[in-house]
Amino acid sequence: ETGVTQTPRHLVMGMTNKKSLKCEQHLGHNAMYWYKQSAKKPLELMFVYNFKEQTENNSVPSRFSPECPNSSHLFLHLHTLQPEDSALYLCASSQVWDRGTTNEKLFFGSGTQLSVL
Amino acid sequence: KQEVTQIPAALSVPEGENLVLNCSFTDSAIYNLQWFRQDPGKGLTSLLLIQSSQREQTSGRLNASLDKSSGRSTLYIAASQPGDSATYLCAPYNTDKLIFGTGTRLQVFP
Repeated sequence: ETGVTQTPRHLVMGMTNKKSLKCEQHLGHNAMYWYKQSAKKPLELMFVYNFKEQTENNSVPSRFSPECPNSSHLFLHLHTLQPEDSALYLCASSQVWDRGTTNEKLFFGSGTQLSVL
Repeated sequence: KQEVTQIPAALSVPEGENLVLNCSFTDSAIYNLQWFRQDPGKGLTSLLLIQSSQREQTSGRLNASLDKSSGRSTLYIAASQPGDSATYLCAPYNTDKLIFGTGTRLQVFP
């Protein structure tokens, strides 16, 4: 148990559905991240929230919409996805300094395996 | 833009062997570098973090070294066990983000 919990573990959705992924961290960290892991590709950083403010949007399509209501919770809202969006979506958290840098480890959740039909 | 390469991409060895996993990165202006382990279909577990001012870190049978100026890190696994079978990922940390390599998939057989 890493202290980062993601739900659901598995999700199957159609291209017209709207769903949300949830991430909760119990570590008292002040930064949270969404990563995407597709087969045969490196993990791709999608979004970064430092102190609840979005500081990174790595050219992610608007069909992915993040929300960070507080420092412990992070959501990824999904709508009108494409089959190529099928992947493992990983949430992570860490403790960062004022400018968002850190020398602390990142802690990852177990991920949500998403399949878009 | 940081690019990370891990060699070999896959490795299959009998248990008991000492292993070397290699990581190279193009931008040496890093704060730290982390090594992670990932089991199939699961999240990542942080194994070691080396700060940019450090040369190596050790945890049990694992030892990671860092040569920042040449853009290289190495993960040594001593006396490998079947339970070490997983994918190992290297990730240098620039400014405010980790950039990952594609990993080394390790299988240790009895």
